[in-house]
Parts: sequence; C-alpha cells; structure tokens
Amino acid sequence: SAVISQKPSRDICQRGTSLTIQCQVDSQVTMMFWYRQQPGQSLTLIATANQGSEATYESGFVIDKFPISRPNLTFSTLTVSNMSPEDSSIYLCSVEGRRYAEAFFGQGTRLTVV
Amino acid sequence: GQQVMQIPQYQHVQEGEDFTTYCNSSTTLSNIQWYKQRPGGHPVFLIQLVKSGEVKKQKRLTFQFGEAKKNSSLHITATQTTDVGTYFCAGDFGNEKLTFGTGTRLTIIP
Repeated sequence: SAVISQKPSRDICQRGTSLTIQCQVDSQVTMMFWYRQQPGQSLTLIATANQGSEATYESGFVIDKFPISRPNLTFSTLTVSNMSPEDSSIYLCSVEGRRYAEAFFGQGTRLTVV
Repeated sequence: GQQVMQIPQYQHVQEGEDFTTYCNSSTTLSNIQWYKQRPGGHPVFLIQLVKSGEVKKQKRLTFQFGEAKKNSSLHITATQTTDVGTYFCAGDFGNEKLTFGTGTRLTIIP
C-alpha cells in the first residue's frame, strides 16, 4: 500500500486568493490524481498528473483555475486559484496501487472560502 | 458521458439488520471497485471485481458483479455500528481512471 501525506489538512481562505495543496507519496508512482469532494457528495476527478508532462484535466476543470505541478515521481501540488465560496470543498490526492490499481488517498484538504 | 449511479442515497438500519447498496453503470465496465469512507475520513479501498458474475466475500460483506459487467452490489449482513459510513462504488471503464458512484450513506440505529 502507498502512504500519502497531504497538507494542509484544512484552511480558511479569503475569496480572490489562491491555495496550494501538497501531496507527498512514500514511493515512486507514475500517475497521481486530484479529486474534489463537495460536502455530502461523491468524488469528482479534477485531473491526472503524470511526471514530466502536463496534467490532463477533466471536463469542467481548467488549468488556469487548478494548476498542477508534478516535479518528480513522489510529489505533486494542486493550486486552487482566485477562490470563490463555490470552491469550498474537500480536495483529495490519490495514487494507484500496484496490486489492483486501487486508489490510495491522502487525508484530504478541507477548504473553506469566505 | 460515463456515469455510475448508486441507490439508495441514504440508508438507516437498526443494528443487526442487513444492508444492501446497488451500483449501475451506463456502459460496460472493465472492473469495479468498492470503497468505504468513514465520517471525516478519506475513502478506503475494500475490493475489486473483474469477472462477469463474480462474487467475493469479506466476513459480513458480500460483493457481486453483474453478468453484463454494468452493475454491482454490496451486501452487509447483520450490521454493526462500525459499519457506519458512505460506501462508494468506482467504475473502471478501461481508461486508466476511476469514476466514482454517487455513494450510499449508511447510518446505524443502535
């Protein structure tokens, strides 16, 4: 199994500002995934981050709003830019397990935009 | 687009009663996975089903994959308070990413 350290665990931010979320994995992984989970809802994939290439964004998510970095095989960041209250959500990073291609998740970042 | 729906959205059961959640995909799946998310926690992998008609058991949990590989179910026998949480199915359509179902939130009445 993979151990993922995600930070910050929570933050309260002013609208119009940006927040960068970090995700550190204890082993090298090819793909990292970023999800958003709005309160009481399911998980929605934002983007897939591969090392050495630009992230692939899902429909409804754009790079200007959610820039992603993937400088090496164990680390990634997601920035939520120019935040509005609608961005209040839990953001989760995830990596794929080797045995079942299952998803291992970080602890999540609970973001509140005021 | 590819969607995965779950029913029911919520389920309240008396402790000791059984619980079932159903998952339906718009198209055929490569495989399906199930996750449990405790309140305030992150999703945790439970199992993967790959073969048509597959049935797997984990203690009181029984997982089934439909013959057409478009639906799945999770059945919990004799629920306990530790079963509280939201159960998600997640479909793999063969495109290297998971599509999570809408989830079923289980609460247990002691």
